[in-house]
Amino acid sequence: GAVVSQHPSRVICKSGTSVKIECRSLDFQATTMFWYRQFPKQSLMLMATSNEGSKATYEQGVEKDKFLINHASLTLSTLTVTSAHPEDSSFYICSAYTGTSGDGELFFGEGSRLTVL
Amino acid sequence: GQQLNQSPQSMFIQEGEDVSMNCTSSSIFNTWLWYKQDPGEGPVLLIALYKAGELTSNGRLTAQFGITRKDSFLNISASIPSDVGIYFCAGRGNQGGKLIFGQGTELSVKP
Repeated sequence: GAVVSQHPSRVICKSGTSVKIECRSLDFQATTMFWYRQFPKQSLMLMATSNEGSKATYEQGVEKDKFLINHASLTLSTLTVTSAHPEDSSFYICSAYTGTSGDGELFFGEGSRLTVL
Repeated sequence: GQQLNQSPQSMFIQEGEDVSMNCTSSSIFNTWLWYKQDPGEGPVLLIALYKAGELTSNGRLTAQFGITRKDSFLNISASIPSDVGIYFCAGRGNQGGKLIFGQGTELSVKP
């Protein structure tokens, strides 16, 4: 089956630094990638939708200057948490979509746990 | 952000019992999906439903897409300890792969 890989799986950083998380589709091309954030014991909240070669679309309340998303190719999207603070500590999960409208399949990455000290 | 209403929030059951959880929405969805998430991992798809009224099984799991397209349920029969985890429903409209998730149901199974 299709695999979506996230890296790193865990990262600990100091407050004020920036952290980059990669999301790769390993055996298929993803027209769209989605980034979610999940706090402990809570649901997955969509942060942004990323299409290859264009600017990401952010959900209401998500700061686009803080969470930079780059989708440089059909197999790679990156999320950079800039000037991270402890409240940014969370589980970040990406998903990759193979279709163009409602006809594709969706695959999730394994998630990346960010801890900001 | 927008969420589905999923219930119950948590369940503590004995091994062998059946389990039922459901999701409702004020919006219509074209697809309903049920996922299981283990701690520290991404969600894994259990069942996907594409048509109103559809009833689909995957082993001991059965899920239905409500006729109104605003609800879905998931049943697990004869639960076993490895069923422990958090179960999420998710709805998909006509915006490609964008999903809206329920709040999750945390299942604990006592051997």
